[in-house]
Amino acid sequence: QKEVEQNSGPLSVPEGAIASLNCTYSDRVSQSFFWYRQYSGKSPELIMSIYSNGDKEDGRFTAQLNKASQYVSLLIRDSQPSDSATYLCAVLPNTGFQKLVFGTGTRLLVSP
Amino acid sequence: KAGVTQTPRYLIKTRGQQVTLSCSPISGHRSVSWYQQTPGQGLQFLFEYFSETQRNKGNFPGRFSGRQFSNSRSEMNVSTLELGDSALYLCASSLVEVRDTQYFGPGTRLTVL
Repeated sequence: QKEVEQNSGPLSVPEGAIASLNCTYSDRVSQSFFWYRQYSGKSPELIMSIYSNGDKEDGRFTAQLNKASQYVSLLIRDSQPSDSATYLCAVLPNTGFQKLVFGTGTRLLVSP
Repeated sequence: KAGVTQTPRYLIKTRGQQVTLSCSPISGHRSVSWYQQTPGQGLQFLFEYFSETQRNKGNFPGRFSGRQFSNSRSEMNVSTLELGDSALYLCASSLVEVRDTQYFGPGTRLTVL
């Protein structure tokens, strides 16, 4: 079992729709969770971080964390073609080690 | 404030050679992490440095090594290159902890022939 799993996609949504990206992790004691966006040919950039169960909203983005079920999701409201990118889920295991574990990413395509 | 810089941006090497990649973090950032990104494996953690000390290491062979200097600049070295080492090598810097926001550099694209 991979430490962090994501559906590779592509996830295709029409412009204006809600895109829902999911991620599951295996280390039950993980405490910190991150969503990165990576455009083709570019380096990843941080979109959201979440540390507590529940929802965290930032503009059109909402991160949701459910530690009991060991999943974290990212919702993108009013999706725009400029949101087309690969979204990487990253987990910081609570092992005392300074190491981010990334999923392989979900490719999102937003069509006009 | 200048972002994370990596040099060189592109490298072509042959099997058996060695290579050194450089990363300059954002000013004031003391933690530098290195990652290897390939289409099949995604982003994989190589190692992380803070105050010239390696705090953690990923599951890579000993051919992969790194170091950090007193100004927080970091280098990674790969010896005896193999075809499978072809990848995008990314470094990321953060203030102190890895859980602090990590800012990625543009990466070094290494091709091993």
